[in-house]
Amino acid sequence: QSVLTQPPSVSEAPRQRVTISCSGSISNIGSNAVNWYQHLPGKAPKLLIYYDDLLPSGVSDRFSGSKSGTSASLAISGLQSDDEADYYCAAWDHTLNGPVFGTGTKVTVL
Amino acid sequence: EVQLLESGGGLIQPGGSLTLSCAATGFNFSTYAMSWVRQAPGKGLEWVSTISGSDDRTYYGDSVKGRFTISRGNSKNTLYLQMNTLRAEDTALYYCAKDKGYGDYVFDYWGQGTLVTVSS
Repeated sequence: QSVLTQPPSVSEAPRQRVTISCSGSISNIGSNAVNWYQHLPGKAPKLLIYYDDLLPSGVSDRFSGSKSGTSASLAISGLQSDDEADYYCAAWDHTLNGPVFGTGTKVTVL
Repeated sequence: EVQLLESGGGLIQPGGSLTLSCAATGFNFSTYAMSWVRQAPGKGLEWVSTISGSDDRTYYGDSVKGRFTISRGNSKNTLYLQMNTLRAEDTALYYCAKDKGYGDYVFDYWGQGTLVTVSS
């Protein structure tokens, strides 16, 4: 059972913007950096955002990350059909002494 | 180009053992921490284990501690996961993942996974 809570699903029309929330606690998001991953079932997960808001080389700037207190968010602007995937937040957890992933959010492009 | 290719998955009976491998190419394998992350059917991602790049320090999630052993063969650019006393709840797709380089569990490259099914 994950300690980082995400909405199970979000959906929006093409070219619109969606935001995915990730809620944690002081032992994880509140004191450590948040990373975001995109995962298409059967494919290798892909790093989208690291250290709360940094984009790895090659990742579209349509993706952006932010954090406030014990919550973080991933925003996808200009939504495209190939953005349909599962998205996971992740952070180190001091109490569990290991990295933890969020519950995952399925993004659907209407 | 970084590539990670897992192998060794399969069907195994409860209580059995299995060893997974992850062949790495495209980067200086010995200098990066490497991890295993799994995804049970219909579930999210779960960190399993990490091994450091330089001095082979190992770390495990509570659900596998004492049963799984992570290791690496730097001369073969290969990561391993020895899994003992397997349980039904270990059934999952197992991914190997490369650390971005700061030793803080940012996984910048992943393999496509190998499926482990624990069932009688």
